[in-house]
Amino acid sequence: DQQVKQNSPSLSVQEGRISILNCDYTNSMFDYFLWYKKYPAEGPTFLISISSIKDKNEDGRFTVFLNKSAKHLSLHIVPSQPGDSAVYFCAARDGVNDYKLSFGAGTTVTVRA
Amino acid sequence: GAVVSQHPSWVICKSGTSVKIECRSLDFQATTMFWYRQFPKQSLMLMATSNEGSKATYEQGVEKDKFLINHASLTLSTLTVTSAHPEDSSFYICSARPQDTQYFGPGTRLTVL
Repeated sequence: DQQVKQNSPSLSVQEGRISILNCDYTNSMFDYFLWYKKYPAEGPTFLISISSIKDKNEDGRFTVFLNKSAKHLSLHIVPSQPGDSAVYFCAARDGVNDYKLSFGAGTTVTVRA
Repeated sequence: GAVVSQHPSWVICKSGTSVKIECRSLDFQATTMFWYRQFPKQSLMLMATSNEGSKATYEQGVEKDKFLINHASLTLSTLTVTSAHPEDSSFYICSARPQDTQYFGPGTRLTVL
């Protein structure tokens, strides 16, 4: 049962433009959401997070939006840079069950020069 | 961010042997660590939650006798793959969280011949 879904397996964007990655979830017990960036054969690198009590969090080029009623969050990267090319995972934390993380399937972002 | 290390980064072993993977939190203490595995082009799947000083909690479908977890100190958790078989070949990643955010190790690539 996939509780976190990233329905777009890939995204291609021009350098300098905005990248928008989407994530949907089903478990209402999720209280904290995170985005990770991952390169092949490496561990995920934390990018940005948001608590369920907020609707927006911004850190430099990265902004995460949370729509709790729709159980939807998105990550905006602007401007996109070639170094942003990687796989991005959305993760959600279960605030009741040991703070476990559930991951989406990932979205591969390719930034074109 | 917090630093989590893993050792070894890659290992090749013969079928039937056991392999131990170490996960260390370098700049914080972690009463809880998590072990994941990732198959090619798939998401991270939580295998177990490692608790310092007590037994690990395994996810459904994960054989606890095959994947032995020991969390002997606040900075070290080990995963031992016992009697490894080719189907155990995967990328194993650990994580730990000083507070709300989980930080991941760089991963260990296990290849069982």
